[in-house]
Amino acid sequence: NAGVTQTPKFQVLKTGQSMTLQCAQDMNHEYMSWYRQDPGMGLRLIHYSVGAGITDQGEVPNGYNVSRSTTEDFPLRLLSAAPSQTSVYFCASSFARDRGYTFGSGTRLTVV
Amino acid sequence: RKEVEQDPGPFNVPEGATVAFNCTYSNSASQSFFWYRQDCRKEPKLLMSVYSSGNEDGRFTAQLNRASQYISLLIRDSKLSDSATYLCVVSQGAQKLVFGQGTRLTINP
Repeated sequence: NAGVTQTPKFQVLKTGQSMTLQCAQDMNHEYMSWYRQDPGMGLRLIHYSVGAGITDQGEVPNGYNVSRSTTEDFPLRLLSAAPSQTSVYFCASSFARDRGYTFGSGTRLTVV
Repeated sequence: RKEVEQDPGPFNVPEGATVAFNCTYSNSASQSFFWYRQDCRKEPKLLMSVYSSGNEDGRFTAQLNRASQYISLLIRDSKLSDSATYLCVVSQGAQKLVFGQGTRLTINP
């Protein structure tokens, strides 16, 4: 039981490049979310999903896309990277909305 | 006004001391409440859920006052391993978890 697995752990992108951050969980959780964490800003919700085929926007969705084709996977796509997207990205999953979330170990992204 | 507010600290206390953290939230429709801890350069980890009746887990006690929109965390007999940032988290339905900025705690030997 690996929990929530995020890849890659580190990434450097050039402005304008696109990439996909991978997230997979093996706990059969229906609820999955993506957060970014910036100094002085706390964690902010980017996108979330309540089950396969269902996604919605969070607090800071601009510049990101998600899809949920299976219960296990919830990738986050950066469409055209900008320096403002330099951050630490966390994927999280939960059994139910009133339960705590389990977080992945994060992806540290730098956009130059 | 931030939706979830915490004293950012840092708190520096000696080992064995009792530490209390406070948190306030602005949305009265908030439904679920949690404390997470986050170690430096690591992911947040769920410490405990917070219930209106109050709940305890070993040395940790959490309280919720819905009328005052106030959440607290008490750590008794603090250990060096308790050094971390403590995040107050509020759920506002659906999938919206709102995080406070965290309170940094350092336990000194």
